[in-house]
Amino acid sequence: DTGVSQDPRHKITKRGQNVTFRCDPISEHNRLYWYRQTLGQGPEFLTYFQNEAQLEKSRLLSDRFSAERPKGSFSTLEIQRTEQGDSAMYLCASSLSAGGLDEQFFGPGTRLTVL
Amino acid sequence: AQTVTQSQPEMSVQEAETVTLSCTYDTSENNYYLFWYKQPPSRQMILVIRQEAYKQQNATENRFSVNFQKAAKSFSLKISDSQLGDTAMYFCAFIDHYGGSQGNLIFGKGTKLSVKP
Repeated sequence: DTGVSQDPRHKITKRGQNVTFRCDPISEHNRLYWYRQTLGQGPEFLTYFQNEAQLEKSRLLSDRFSAERPKGSFSTLEIQRTEQGDSAMYLCASSLSAGGLDEQFFGPGTRLTVL
Repeated sequence: AQTVTQSQPEMSVQEAETVTLSCTYDTSENNYYLFWYKQPPSRQMILVIRQEAYKQQNATENRFSVNFQKAAKSFSLKISDSQLGDTAMYFCAFIDHYGGSQGNLIFGKGTKLSVKP
């Protein structure tokens, strides 16, 4: 297993367009997390999945954002009608289980630039 | 609400020297985990070291060690014999034992460490 992968690594889009990012977690990891990291800040939680169930969403996740994890495998994060404030690095992480017992492994991120 | 504070936005150290990065946190939980993550330039975040709050012994991983002071809610990272490859952003992070209602990590704003030759 090569770790958590994310695609694309970079995305440039115009304001108002829709974008979709993909995350492939480490196989057999039940938990999958999405974080957003803006310049000069630490990652901030967006949402997480336990298998295919989306269990929690941060208030940062406006109704323009939607995430799915069909069949509990890969996950997608879609942003509709992008705004310049959406420009950030979107990080995906996965772990075997909840809490701190199991390490969260991070992907390389997708850097989104909204013009 | 749980918060993590890193008061040093940037630090530098000479190669082979020792440096300490500071982190404080706030929580009403008694059982939790603390982490230091490293994010090298343009590379993905990796775990450096983890501390379980119910363990009094400070965690160590080779050149990396922590000073965990539970009562003071302080969790500093010491890097000994600094190497050029240690140049990175370092994030302190917190999670409660059962992952709480969200199960997510709560991060500080990070400290940018530069190791100079």
